[in-house]
Amino acid sequence: GENVEQHPSTLSVQEGDSAVIKCTYSDSASNYFPWYKQELGKRPQLIIDIRSNVGEKKDQRIAVTLNKTAKHFSLHITETQPEDSAVYFCAASRGLPPLGNEKLTFGTGTRLTIIP
Amino acid sequence: NAGVTQTPKFQVLKTGQSMTLQCAQDMNHEYMSWYRQDPGMGLRLIHYSVGAGITDQGEVPNGYNVSRSTTEDFPLRLLSAAPSQTSVYFCASSPGQGIGYGYTFGSGTRLTVV
Repeated sequence: GENVEQHPSTLSVQEGDSAVIKCTYSDSASNYFPWYKQELGKRPQLIIDIRSNVGEKKDQRIAVTLNKTAKHFSLHITETQPEDSAVYFCAASRGLPPLGNEKLTFGTGTRLTIIP
Repeated sequence: NAGVTQTPKFQVLKTGQSMTLQCAQDMNHEYMSWYRQDPGMGLRLIHYSVGAGITDQGEVPNGYNVSRSTTEDFPLRLLSAAPSQTSVYFCASSPGQGIGYGYTFGSGTRLTVV
């Protein structure tokens, strides 16, 4: 089955600086890669996702890059703000018919702390 | 839309007791899943369903049963609770293939087994 590794497990960044979280996956058939943000005591929420036919995707201060050859993908947060403090999870799934994305495999999470 | 609703929010069980965690969604999503979240281990898939009447095992299915008699509901049953099942449980749903892939999570159930 799929195995997703995520690094680092904790990350502290000065407010205004950039943060990068990296994930690798093992299943070459995976082609859907979402990122979730989980604030303390709350549910995980999807913040951005990327599919294998795209190398990079941006949404305001958040971007995700994908390298299918190396089987790794990364989350980039620019101009960090205190509200970015949370745990971030990467995930992977096959995401195409006939199986679809019914099985998401998650990384172990990165606790991001923004230092004011 | 209420989204994904989980009940109860908190539960304490004694070892050997059984219980059902409820999950309902009102978005007509085909896919539903149950995950458990433990410190340092991320979210691990317990069971999932791709439609009414269809369920399958995930990564950590032992000690849990599920059924999907309707599109809306996907209850998780603990057969004989053990301390190792102390965790936060999340139910999630997705529109499924070909429509949109994002999973929406419920607010979670914090379960303690003593």
